[in-house]
Amino acid sequence: EAGVAQSPRYKIIEKRQSVAFWCNPISGHATLYWYQQILGQGPKLLIQFQNNGVVDDSQLPKDRFSAERLKGVDSTLKIQPAKLEDSAVYLCASSLTALNTEAFFGQGTRLTVV
Amino acid sequence: QQQVKQSPQSLIVQKGGISIINCAYENTAFDYFPWYQQFPGKGPALLIAIRPDVSEKKEGRFTISFNKSAKQFSLHIMDSQPGDSATYFCAASTNQAGTALIFGKGTTLSVSS
Repeated sequence: EAGVAQSPRYKIIEKRQSVAFWCNPISGHATLYWYQQILGQGPKLLIQFQNNGVVDDSQLPKDRFSAERLKGVDSTLKIQPAKLEDSAVYLCASSLTALNTEAFFGQGTRLTVV
Repeated sequence: QQQVKQSPQSLIVQKGGISIINCAYENTAFDYFPWYQQFPGKGPALLIAIRPDVSEKKEGRFTISFNKSAKQFSLHIMDSQPGDSATYFCAASTNQAGTALIFGKGTTLSVSS
């Protein structure tokens, strides 16, 4: 079974620029999550999708971050404009459903904002 | 209410020793408590998980102990090996309600040979 695919693996941008990350979850997984992992900390949820609907985006900085999952499969996370404090690893995860199932993580995209 | 507090921040154990990592939570609605293992440059991977209807779960060298009244759970790694050197995260969620995992800050384990 193929895992959660993310791209790019690494990205370096200047502050105030925009950036987008892509995630393809495990086939058949209805629930998709985006997490932000700052160096030395645990992953922090940014947004949770169930199919193509948003379940929880309470911790998403909506003035600069946006995410979509238009066809209920792959997803993109965008930051515009980026700030220095956005430097982190952005992890995508998926689960079969949101109820009683394991979340599988991709390898993440390491973003450096200079 | 939504925090999961993990300790210690780092741990050094001799090969063959026992590694113990602790977590505490406040939200009594949490009903799913997994431990994830993360190697450098990789995403977290599920190691073992427990639900509050049992006090202990063992899978190979890994054991979760769960104390519902104290709102604490811990990971025990028996016969620790250099290959166990990684960062470990405890997490919690209200799985029945479909909420996402809330993670602790992580414990970096180094097993010396």
